Order: sequence, then structure tokens, then C-alpha cells
Amino acid sequence: QSVLTQPPSASGTPGQRVTISCSGSSSNIGSNYVYWYQQLPGTAPKLLIYRNNQRPSGVPDRFSGSKSGTSASLAISGLRSEDEADYYCAAWDDSLSPRYVFGGGTKLTVL
Amino acid sequence: QVQLQESGPGLVKPSETLSLTCTVSGGSISSYYWSWIRQPPGKGLEWIGYIYYSGSTNYNPSLKSRVTISVDTSKNQFSLKLSSVTAADTAVYYCASLPYYDILTGYYYWGQGTLVTVSS
Repeated sequence: QSVLTQPPSASGTPGQRVTISCSGSSSNIGSNYVYWYQQLPGTAPKLLIYRNNQRPSGVPDRFSGSKSGTSASLAISGLRSEDEADYYCAAWDDSLSPRYVFGGGTKLTVL
Repeated sequence: QVQLQESGPGLVKPSETLSLTCTVSGGSISSYYWSWIRQPPGKGLEWIGYIYYSGSTNYNPSLKSRVTISVDTSKNQFSLKLSSVTAADTAVYYCASLPYYDILTGYYYWGQGTLVTVSS
């Protein structure tokens, strides 16, 4: 099982706002930044959010990230059909030697 | 614009060593931590580890006993070796990079991934 916990699925209709949660612990989310990646079918993951709430150049402001304690969330507003993808949260974990850990992924379906 | 391209055998026998290479273009080999991340079919992502051009490494503790990541600065390449493989090591293997000047910006550059199947 993954170190970070995400719901396996989420859904919404076009134009809606959806959120995806990510739960961790004091050794990862609680003490380090959170990252979010989007993976379209058959492609490599794409960095969506870094340092909890920063967007790389080119990522629409419809995507936003937040963190509170040992949990984080990705929000997608104005949902579009092209947002249908797998979404992964990630963070550095300091429990042993530093390692990068991922959530199990959330499959977002646009109805 | 950094571009990454994985290469290596797509089929490896159980108990043998998986070997992959990632070729870097468009970026300085000394400007990034070079990483491997894998994804079993239909499953989530697993970080394997990274190397800096100086040779310093950091591996996932769960794989550390079987993993070696190395770098060849003269060829602008870095490599992954995973020993004693089993079917559980079947996955798409991605190479990716973290900026050395700010490791906290996340994995922006990724290769397209290569599927490695472990089977006799």
C-alpha cells in the first residue's frame, strides 16, 4: 500500500469543482511540501502543483493545491473533459533516509 | 528544455538484473538530480532513487539492497540496475529530473517511460 492515502476515484460534471484529498503523516506531508501530478492515459506524469500550491508555467489556474497539517487537497474548478486522468499526490518522507513517496492515485472521471 | 529518453531490454528473466539507460539532452548533467520512478501496470508510482553527477545517490529503502544508479557524464546518460528481479518488478520505468538548484520544485521533466516485463 502507498505511504500517502488518496481516494481511488472521483467524478464530476463539466463546469463543476472537484477536490481530491491526500492524507499522510508527520514525516511526510506534516513536515514537507506536497506535489500533485496529472497522468493522462498512456503518458508520463505531468507536474501540476509544487510546494503545496504553486503552479508550473502553463498549468491553468483552474488547478489549485492546499495543505493543512498532515493532509492536502487538489481542487479543479471549471471541470473539463480533458481533465479526465489519474492524479497523484507526492511528498518527501523523512522517516528513514529521505525518500519521495506517492499516493496511490485517484482516477478522475468527467461525467 | 530537458529531454529524457529511456532505453533497454523490454524483457528480463526472473533472478536476472534489469538494466536501463536514460539519455539526457537539452540540459546540463550537473544541473539536476537524475531519478528513476516506476509504475506497475494498472498501479501507482514508486520512487526508486536519484543520483547527482558527482556520484552521490539516494535510494528508496525498500529497494536499496537491489538498486544501483550510476551516471556517465561523458555520454550525458545515467543508468539503473535492479538485481534479482521477480514478476513484481514488471513495470513502466520512467527517468525524471529534479533541479539541483532547487530540489523542492518537483519532477518537471520526465521520459516517456519504457515497459520492462519480468518473465521466463
